[in-house]
Amino acid sequence: KAGVTQTPRYLIKTRGQQVTLSCSPISGHRSVSWYQQTPGQGLQFLFEYFSETQRNKGNFPGRFSGRQFSNSRSEMNVSTLELGDSALYLCASSLRESSGNTIYFGEGSWLTVV
Amino acid sequence: SQQGEEDPQALSIQEGENATMNCSYKTSINNLQWYRQNSGRGLVHLILIRSNEREKHSGRLRVTLDTSKKSSSLLITASRAADTASYFCATVPLGAQKLVFGQGTRLTINP
Repeated sequence: KAGVTQTPRYLIKTRGQQVTLSCSPISGHRSVSWYQQTPGQGLQFLFEYFSETQRNKGNFPGRFSGRQFSNSRSEMNVSTLELGDSALYLCASSLRESSGNTIYFGEGSWLTVV
Repeated sequence: SQQGEEDPQALSIQEGENATMNCSYKTSINNLQWYRQNSGRGLVHLILIRSNEREKHSGRLRVTLDTSKKSSSLLITASRAADTASYFCATVPLGAQKLVFGQGTRLTINP
């Protein structure tokens, strides 16, 4: 079956703009989580959604937000982009809540802020 | 902040040799997962080991977990050029629904 699908794969935005990234989890998976990867900070947890509810949130400013739809698809939004938001944003899905289950990642969305 | 620390940060070996990477973490965990990442790509899940397990195998991979020392190791036997990648351990802390990653080990297999 298809893996975790993220769109777009690459995008370039200007400081101050906002961006929306999309994630389709593996069919049947109800938990979706998002991670940011940068050379300096490594892989950091952004948030997790299960059954359309945010269940856990990482230590990121309020400019970072997300949501999950009834079909488990998820979007994350970053408003008022800053240069430091340039990163690889990874979406992951698992069958139930992430704890205790194998978590599968998509290929990521490369965001460059100029 | 990262919970895990991986050692070494970089490892370069000859094809056919075994590669061992270590991971230490700080808090009690539900499970620990190892991932591989090729340059610029997503994370590929390799193996999950639960806190009540001590060792797990998958093909050429062997993972051990020592919860008393809060450490894990990943052994790749008979390495191949295609194993060149970054390897990350990630823990699921008790009561948390997220992965906490280490900084990763960059493995290079020389032909």
